[in-house]
Amino acid sequence: LAKTTQPISMDSYEGQEVNITCSHNNIATNDYITWYQQFPSQGPRFIIQGYKTKVTNEVASLFIPADRKSSTLSLPRVSLSDTAVYYCLVGDITTGGYQKVTFGIGTKLQVIP
Amino acid sequence: SAVISQKPSRDICQRGTSLTIQCQVDSQVTMMFWYRQQPGQSLTLIATANQGSEATYESGFVIDKFPISRPNLTFSTLTVSNMSPEDSSIYLCSVDSNEKLFFGSGTQLSVL
Repeated sequence: LAKTTQPISMDSYEGQEVNITCSHNNIATNDYITWYQQFPSQGPRFIIQGYKTKVTNEVASLFIPADRKSSTLSLPRVSLSDTAVYYCLVGDITTGGYQKVTFGIGTKLQVIP
Repeated sequence: SAVISQKPSRDICQRGTSLTIQCQVDSQVTMMFWYRQQPGQSLTLIATANQGSEATYESGFVIDKFPISRPNLTFSTLTVSNMSPEDSSIYLCSVDSNEKLFFGSGTQLSVL
């Protein structure tokens, strides 16, 4: 199972762009990278998923370099409601599903007014 | 997407008793997952439940302590047996739908 390393915490002011980088040096060929967001007293919520290069949706962007040993979640113009824990997951979700994926410690993002 | 209803949302239990947590999904899914999240910690997978077969438990978790039922493709239960204060955690049900995980809101369990 590919392990992930993320910063434990980050602070950002409202309106700024936030980039959270996740290292996954031993990512396998079939592994995808998925990011989740968790608010207190709630289950994690899917944000974005990618395999290589760049993926963008209405919430975030995900940048994955060619070697795929890291990935960066980019949150544009954060607001106070983006204060949460962000998890980077790496695993082969196509065969065997999420039983082959483990959650790391996550990054606690604190958005400051 | 999948919508998951999990109950109870929280409970306070006495040492030595058992609690059964229910998870209902609004669509049929092959795999359902049970996670534990201890205070301030990340999520740890307890077991994977497939309909019609025994659940598959991760290292450190055993069926006698965490029996799981999966009677159909939309429902599962997790029982926390013979509870001790160390079992105080949030327990989360999750399903894999369209290569994404969807979670219930969790059950916050406190054992006295």
